[in-house]
Amino acid sequence: QVQLQESGPGLLKPSETLSLTCTVSGGSVSSGAYYWSWIRQSPGKRLEWIGYINYSGSTNHNPSLESRITMSVDTSKNQFSLKLSSVTAADTAVYYCARAPSSGHIPWFDPWGQGTLVTVSS
Amino acid sequence: DIVMTQSPDSLAVSLGERATINCKSSRSVLYTSRNKNYLAWYQQKPGQPPKLLIYWASTRESGVPDRFSGSGSGTDFTLTISSLQAEDVALYYCQQYYTTPITFGGGTKVEIK
Repeated sequence: QVQLQESGPGLLKPSETLSLTCTVSGGSVSSGAYYWSWIRQSPGKRLEWIGYINYSGSTNHNPSLESRITMSVDTSKNQFSLKLSSVTAADTAVYYCARAPSSGHIPWFDPWGQGTLVTVSS
Repeated sequence: DIVMTQSPDSLAVSLGERATINCKSSRSVLYTSRNKNYLAWYQQKPGQPPKLLIYWASTRESGVPDRFSGSGSGTDFTLTISSLQAEDVALYYCQQYYTTPITFGGGTKVEIK
């Protein structure tokens, strides 16, 4: 049973860079059968897709965030990561990592990590 | 971007009764050459991440009770809980994966009347 766990700082100041890591257990980020994804949920509960990456580092990002996003995968640690630069209060959210099947189409997400709350405040 | 609009925002249903949630997309998510609707449904219980219930608009994920069903095509979709149980109290979201950016509906809160 694959499990995902997010980790990273919970409090950032405006203009800083958000850095999160997702550790995968019970499965491998080297699998070509999946994309490894980030989604966030605002305090108002709206879900926003951030992007996904595959084992070879190929990515697909939400254009609304694309200029600030860097995603990477570390197969040696079975982890993948997200960096979001120049954060503002609008980036305050629960950040989830999730697995998505790469069956030749844009995917759905299953399973999801438990999520980590990131607050941006001066 | 494809905008996903859910209705109602919330509903209260008696135990054992039917709950119906609607999701409308601003463009069709039916891939006609494959005859598949690129739409998924999720359940989110308090303090938990979303859980996949249905994909391809009507295919239940393994382990999901058969009281959950999805229907619809093109731009109009429905998630039905045929007989509401106490454990079904949650937020429910639709998601389109027809094109990027992937987008979600705003959520529907289901409560017990």
